[in-house]
Amino acid sequence: AQSVTQLDSQVPVFEEAPVELRCNYSSSVSVYLFWYVQYPNQGLQLLLKYLSGSTLVKGINGFEAEFNKSQTSFHLRKPSVHISDTAEYFCAVRVPVHGSSNTGKLIFGQGTTLQVKP
Amino acid sequence: DAGVTQSPTHLIKTRGQQVTLRCSPKSGHDTVSWYQQALGQGPQFIFQYYEEEERQRGNFPDRFSGHQFPNYSSELNVNALLLGDSALYLCASSPLGGSGNTIYFGEGSWLTVV
Repeated sequence: AQSVTQLDSQVPVFEEAPVELRCNYSSSVSVYLFWYVQYPNQGLQLLLKYLSGSTLVKGINGFEAEFNKSQTSFHLRKPSVHISDTAEYFCAVRVPVHGSSNTGKLIFGQGTTLQVKP
Repeated sequence: DAGVTQSPTHLIKTRGQQVTLRCSPKSGHDTVSWYQQALGQGPQFIFQYYEEEERQRGNFPDRFSGHQFPNYSSELNVNALLLGDSALYLCASSPLGGSGNTIYFGEGSWLTVV
């Protein structure tokens, strides 16, 4: 069965400092991996995704993530954070849904709260 | 181009009541999924609809049911509400075909059961 573990529930960091949000997954099949961000009282917005190819994936708002198959990890990084990056971040793995148009379903981690301090 | 739209945005219900939540997928999307996000948790998959049929279901009781209409919009129904059903309910849509297609989320419907 597929699962996602986000290793940190909260990550406090000062503005303009680098940050890494850690994500490990388990899956018996080829994986598609995603990071979503959720601002307070809002839905989920896609930051970036890994489907295949280069293991370093660049997303919106200066975020990037590296897929590491041997360590089953997909950590999210940003070299310099802003106050506006304060939000909840979710790592997710997509698994197929039989009989559908193959867009699959997402299995999410518990989330990491990024708190950027001035 | 409107994204995924959900209604209502907030609602309060009493235990034992029934609720219907609505979702219009992003234009061109034919697959709709519903997720439940309890406070402080990640979203959990409830079920997915494609071609007006439920294709797969997560670990949710039969009190949770849904429907997809010919225009691809969808409803989530929850019967006999429990306090534990209080959560943000997210609708997600995706286009026809291709496992690489992005799944888009709506802003969600906040349900409080009292």
